Amino acid sequence: DGGITQSPKYLFRKEGQNVTLSCEQNLNHDAMYWYRQDPGQGLRLIYYSQIVNDFQKGDIAEGYSVSREKKESFPLTVTSAQKNPTAFYLCASSTGDANQPQHFGDGTRLSIL
Amino acid sequence: EDQVTQSPEALRLQEGESSSLNCSYTVSGLRGLFWYRQDPGKGPEFLFTLYSAGEEKEKERLKATLTKKESFLHITAPKPEDSATYLCAVHSGGSNYKLTFGKGTLLTVNP
Repeated sequence: DGGITQSPKYLFRKEGQNVTLSCEQNLNHDAMYWYRQDPGQGLRLIYYSQIVNDFQKGDIAEGYSVSREKKESFPLTVTSAQKNPTAFYLCASSTGDANQPQHFGDGTRLSIL
Repeated sequence: EDQVTQSPEALRLQEGESSSLNCSYTVSGLRGLFWYRQDPGKGPEFLFTLYSAGEEKEKERLKATLTKKESFLHITAPKPEDSATYLCAVHSGGSNYKLTFGKGTLLTVNP
C-alpha cells in the first residue's frame, strides 16, 4: 500500500537536545512538507521541498532544520533553539501540482522531558 | 494574506440529525479548496477538492459545496463513526505550495 510513514509515534526531548523526526513516502511524490499542529490552531507550515536537494522555509522555520537527499525521505530536526517544541508534527507529500491535495502521515507527538 | 475561518468550532449532533459545517475564505486567486477529516492522534485524511464556485462533491453521507466566499460540508443522517475534526484548507495563486488551514470543526455524533 502506498503511503507516508512517520516515526516514531511519540518522542521525548531533553533540554539542549536535538531530535530528528523521520518521514518516508512511497507515493513517488515530488513535493514534501512538514507542519506543526497545536491545540486550537490550524496546521502551520515549517518547511517544504519541491525536489530533491532543495527546500524552503515555511511560516515557522526558526529552530528547525531539514534535508532532502532522497525523493522518498524528508527528515525534520528539532534543534535546541526551538524553545517550545511540544506539538504534534505532521509530514505530507503531493505531486507538486497546486491543484492536487497533500496526503498526510499519522504524525509524531513530541514532548519535553 | 490568505485566511480561512471555520465555524462552528464544535458541533454535537444526534445520530441521524443532518447539519452543515462552514468554511469561509479570503484568498488571492483560489487554486483549490480541500476538505480533510482528522481522527484523534492521526493525520488528516483527504476527503474532497473543489476548484470553482458552484462545484459539488459527494462521498457517502458527506457533500461539499463551494461559492466564491465559502464552502459547506453537509452531513446527511450522520452516524457515530462520522465523529472527527473536519479541516478546510485553501491553495491560492499567491503560492504554489502553501496550504492555509482553518482551525477545524470538532464534530461529535451521539448514538
